Amino acid sequence: GENVEQHPSTLSVQEGDSAVIKCTYSDSASNYFPWYKQELGKRPQLIIDIRSNVGEKKDQRIAVTLNKTAKHFSLHITETQPEDSAVYFCAASSDSNYQLIWGAGTKLIIKP
Amino acid sequence: DTEVTQTPKHLVMGMTNKKSLKCEQHMGHRAMYWYKQKAKKPPELMFVYSYEKLSINESVPSRFSPECPNSSLLNLHLHALQPEDSALYLCASSQQWLNEQFFGPGTRLTVL
Repeated sequence: GENVEQHPSTLSVQEGDSAVIKCTYSDSASNYFPWYKQELGKRPQLIIDIRSNVGEKKDQRIAVTLNKTAKHFSLHITETQPEDSAVYFCAASSDSNYQLIWGAGTKLIIKP
Repeated sequence: DTEVTQTPKHLVMGMTNKKSLKCEQHMGHRAMYWYKQKAKKPPELMFVYSYEKLSINESVPSRFSPECPNSSLLNLHLHALQPEDSALYLCASSQQWLNEQFFGPGTRLTVL
């Protein structure tokens, strides 16, 4: 079955610097890749997603890139701010797989 | 209304109690989900309802019983739970299966 690996498990960056979180997936049929942000005690919130027919998607300071050949996708956050501190989860799914397969999560710490 | 709501926010119950968790959405979504989330872990899928029919039961113990009374409501009935069932229970909905999922705030359940 599908497996999603996420790295690093913890990422500490200086405020204003960029952060990159990477995920790899095993099922080449996967075609939907969302990223969720979960602040402490809060619900997971979708921050950006990408489908397999595009290689990159941007939304202000957040971007996601997808490399289908290598089966990995990455979240890029530029000009990090304190409110970016949270746990970030990647996930993958396909038309034949009935559920999102989640990565283990990355705790992002923004140092002032 | 673009939110998924859940009640109660917190629930403490004994192992012999019967309680119910409730979830509601008014976005016209036809897929609704129950997830269980332990601390520092990704959400773990329990049940999926699609068009008010149970589509997926991820081998969840029978002490958890889902119910979908109509397209806007989703319940999770709890009976004879174990302390290890203590977790954050999240409800989510999506327009259709595997589209973008919107999460509710969750119910923090403690089983004594």
